[in-house]
Amino acid sequence: DAGVIQSPRHEVTEMGQEVTLRCKPISGHDYLFWYRQTMMRGLELLIYFNNNVPIDDSGMPEDRFSAKMPNASFSTLKIQPSEPRDSAVYFCASSYRGTGGYTFGSGTRLTVV
Amino acid sequence: AQSVTQPDIHITVSEGASLELRCNYSYGATPYLFWYVQSPGQGLQLLLKYFSGDTLVQGIKGFEAEFKRSQSSFNLRKPSVHWSDAAEYFCAVATGTASKLTFGTGTRLQVTL
Repeated sequence: DAGVIQSPRHEVTEMGQEVTLRCKPISGHDYLFWYRQTMMRGLELLIYFNNNVPIDDSGMPEDRFSAKMPNASFSTLKIQPSEPRDSAVYFCASSYRGTGGYTFGSGTRLTVV
Repeated sequence: AQSVTQPDIHITVSEGASLELRCNYSYGATPYLFWYVQSPGQGLQLLLKYFSGDTLVQGIKGFEAEFKRSQSSFNLRKPSVHWSDAAEYFCAVATGTASKLTFGTGTRLQVTL
């Protein structure tokens, strides 16, 4: 298995633009998580899905953030409009019933200028 | 709500020396505990996990951790550190095997030759 695949690896965009981050979880995993990592706040859980259904989105910072999981093999995190304070590394992770912990993707480094 | 404290932000050890990274958690019941490692520019990799049973757990790369309920601790150890162990280490807690992880702020390990 290729692991959790995230794209793009790096994204530089201008303030006000829409940004879409993508994630392909490990086949067969039924949980998918989106985390954000910054120096100031560390690792923050944004939202997680179980069987493609959002379970907890209490970590989504604002209405500018939205996440979808249209099927078991794909999820997106969208920021519209983007702001400089959204600059961070965004990680996607997946797990099977939570057992064994999560498998993380390599992350997307987002820079909003 | 559960929480995790990693009191050491940065630790430096000599190659070949022993290592202990501290982790304290706060949770009313028996937690599910994890240690992850993150190399620069990479995602997080699971080192080991504790769900129940033997309080001394073995992980990958020669790491082990011991769950001590009386001290609410789950410290990570390695008898002899290699230069390639230099990375950031995160302790995490979950309230159930399938629930979201709460991460500590991380400990950056530097290894001197």
